Amino acid sequence: DADVTQTPRNRITKTGKRIMLECSQTKGHDRMYWYRQDPGLGLRLIYYSFDVKDINKGEISDGYSVSRQAQAKFSLSLESAIPNQTALYFCATSDSADKGRNQPQHFGDGTRLSIL
Amino acid sequence: GDSVTQMEGPVTLSEEAFLTINCTYTATGYPSLFWYVQYPGEGLQLLLKATKADDKGSNKGFEATYRKETTSFHLEKGSVQVSDSAVYFCALRMADKLIFGTGTRLQVFP
Repeated sequence: DADVTQTPRNRITKTGKRIMLECSQTKGHDRMYWYRQDPGLGLRLIYYSFDVKDINKGEISDGYSVSRQAQAKFSLSLESAIPNQTALYFCATSDSADKGRNQPQHFGDGTRLSIL
Repeated sequence: GDSVTQMEGPVTLSEEAFLTINCTYTATGYPSLFWYVQYPGEGLQLLLKATKADDKGSNKGFEATYRKETTSFHLEKGSVQVSDSAVYFCALRMADKLIFGTGTRLQVFP
């Protein structure tokens, strides 16, 4: 079983709809992240959370919200989806040891989201 | 601000050729450096890392050396295989954030 699981893997929806992407992990990590990947732009950070009560905006948080329901679960919502949010979305986790400095991030397999 | 610059792809090689993917960074402090690989339809996987100057990270025949004087972390492999075809991302870790380059696609043909 995957350590970082994203659902759904693919989603097609219409402009204006509310969408939730879910991420769960079995690695026991405190830190969780949401990124989006666009061709030619690499990965950009949307939101991150260092524990259940800690939520932080990333580079491109406008139009998105998150919820950290438990240590193992971190969901990303698009309240009113728009076409330029069409992208590949990744959840990642990392350990907080050494204040996270040298810790790699572990990624899920991604959610491909298309907004028509 | 902190940033990572990678060579644009695609990089197209024949099997057993030598690979270099260039990566340079800009950072105000002393970041940790990483290479991630993304195979088709999958998420990113850590390939190797280096946490301080002159460290060499290595894994699966790939190597990269943290060069503070040239602010570089170039990825190399002596003999690539078709199975190495993927997108490679250079990244730096500074404070709480991981900053990625734009990725370089590698295509290896038999």
